[in-house]
Amino acid sequence: DQQVKQNSPSLSVQEGRISILNCDYTNSMFDYFLWYKKYPAEGPTFLISISSIKDKNEDGRFTVFLNKSAKHLSLHIVPSQPGDSAVYFCAASGQDNFNKFYFGSGTKLNVKP
Amino acid sequence: NAGVTQTPKFQVLKTGQSMTLQCAQDMNHNSMYWYRQDPGMGLRLIYYSASEGTTDKGEVPNGYNVSRLNKREFSLRLESAAPSQTSVYFCATRPPGRQDTQYFGPGTRLTVL
Repeated sequence: DQQVKQNSPSLSVQEGRISILNCDYTNSMFDYFLWYKKYPAEGPTFLISISSIKDKNEDGRFTVFLNKSAKHLSLHIVPSQPGDSAVYFCAASGQDNFNKFYFGSGTKLNVKP
Repeated sequence: NAGVTQTPKFQVLKTGQSMTLQCAQDMNHNSMYWYRQDPGMGLRLIYYSASEGTTDKGEVPNGYNVSRLNKREFSLRLESAAPSQTSVYFCATRPPGRQDTQYFGPGTRLTVL
């Protein structure tokens, strides 16, 4: 059973607007959460992370929000740009074994010019 | 500074054939990982090596073996390939002391007929 879930396989957004990508998890032992961006035929690249002691982390146009009680995190991209079009994966690792990262199935973001 | 490199980029095997996927990193990281990515499944951890000389199973280790040849190289071996092993394989490393990120190679696309 997947411990990290991304329930939206795809999202389409107009350039300049906000993109919100969602992720849910089931394991309360997770204490680090990460977002990766992946272009076709390339490996994932690290985007932004958040530890469980925070509820928000910001890096330029990218902000990740963590709601521990709901076991939910989201990635906000503001403003969205056509170059942001990619597949976004969320991932988590836990206190019990920080070498084991669990990934969601990904959300394909399309930012329309 | 090449980061994480993987060879080959593409491979087609027949059922029952064997092959080794190679991964090398020049970032002096201790921890290395092998993942597979399948449609709708995200990335799943096959094996990892926390340091030179150690290897451990991930979520989906059956049908695979690994070797941590030295600090730079971590190989993944399929002894008797099966169609279910058709996938894209990614190698990754993690910087020492960091739980919040991994660096990925470009991937190997493997098809087993």
